[in-house]
Amino acid sequence: AQSVTQPDIHITVSEGASLELRCNYSYGATPYLFWYVQSPGQGLQLLLKYFSGDTLVQGIKGFEAEFKRSQSSFNLRKPSVHWSDAAEYFCAVGGYNAGNMLTFGGGTRLMVKP
Amino acid sequence: EPEVTQTPSHQVTQMGQEVILRCVPISNHLYFYWYRQILGQKVEFLVSFYNNEISEKSEIFDDQFSVERPDGSNFTLKIRSTKLEDSAMYFCASSEETGSYGYTFGSGTRLTVV
Repeated sequence: AQSVTQPDIHITVSEGASLELRCNYSYGATPYLFWYVQSPGQGLQLLLKYFSGDTLVQGIKGFEAEFKRSQSSFNLRKPSVHWSDAAEYFCAVGGYNAGNMLTFGGGTRLMVKP
Repeated sequence: EPEVTQTPSHQVTQMGQEVILRCVPISNHLYFYWYRQILGQKVEFLVSFYNNEISEKSEIFDDQFSVERPDGSNFTLKIRSTKLEDSAMYFCASSEETGSYGYTFGSGTRLTVV
């Protein structure tokens, strides 16, 4: 069965500092990997996704993520965090399977200090 | 950019009542999904739908739930007799092809059962 683990429930960083959010997945075949961001009371906005090819993917709002198959990880990074980045971040895994379901991690809540 | 539209954005209902949540997927998409997120918890898969039938469903999607594509544009989730624990944000999503590629989520309907 597919699963996603986001080890950090809460992270606090100072504005302008770098950020890395961790994501580990378990999936029996070639994974499709996603990062979504959710502001309070809002929907899910896709930051970036990985299917194949270059293991470093660029997304919106200056985010990037690196797929490391050997570590079953897909960590999200941003070199300089802005106060508007405060939100909840969800990693998800899916694939080429019946039902095409996505499995989400528990999320990481990011707080940004001024 | 094409969007998945969900209505209403917020619905309050009494326990035991039936509710119908509505979604308009992206017009050329063929696969449709419902997910839910109980407050403070992870996003969970409910059901996927393709070619006018359910292709996969989770344990959460019991006999109280049903989905329908009543016409060429709408995709609905019905909860027959709501319980307090059905209170959650419900997300609709659609994708163009099989696999998780091109998933697009709507902004959600917050269902509150009182």
